[in-house]
Amino acid sequence: AQRVTQPEKLLSVFKGAPVELKCNYSYSGSPELFWYVQYSRQRLQLLLRHISRESIKGFTADLNKGETSFHLKKPFAQEEDSAMYYCALSFPGANSKLTFGKGITLSVRP
Amino acid sequence: DTAVSQTPKYLVTQMGNDKSIKCEQNLGHDTMYWYKQDSKKFLKIMFSYNNKELIINETVPNRFSPKSPDKAHLNLHINSLELGDSAVYFCASSQDLASGRRNEQFFGPGTRLTVL
Repeated sequence: AQRVTQPEKLLSVFKGAPVELKCNYSYSGSPELFWYVQYSRQRLQLLLRHISRESIKGFTADLNKGETSFHLKKPFAQEEDSAMYYCALSFPGANSKLTFGKGITLSVRP
Repeated sequence: DTAVSQTPKYLVTQMGNDKSIKCEQNLGHDTMYWYKQDSKKFLKIMFSYNNKELIINETVPNRFSPKSPDKAHLNLHINSLELGDSAVYFCASSQDLASGRRNEQFFGPGTRLTVL
């Protein structure tokens, strides 16, 4: 069965510091990986996905199949990046579903 | 506004009661979902409907019954509420691609259910 692991629950950094939110997955096929973000009092929304290979709000994530990882990175954190971040995995197929990691709270201090 | 909406936003009720949460999307998507977010913020899928047909039913007590009257609505009815049902319930929708690959899921604002 597929599984998503986010090993840390909280990451607290100062504004301007680099950020790396870790995500590892277990799945034998070719998964699709996503990062979703939930800002305070807002709904969960897609931040980025590996197939689009784009940078959103300065965040990037590279799928590393060898290490089965999809870490989210940003070189210079901003206060408005403070939020809950979820890594998620899905696989192609009619009964596919999103499997979420447990999430990590990113706190960016001024 | 085009979006996924849920009602009510907050629901406080006594143990043993029956309650419903409604979800509507006007994005024209063909797949809708219900998720449960527990007190530790862990998100877990409960159900998924594609074109009004149930395609995912995780290990959820049969006190929970989803109903999809049409593609744009997926309601969640809960019978005999228990303390452990207290959580935030999120509805979501997506338009899945012909290749079978999953597209972005759009989430509703959540319904915070508190069972006393």
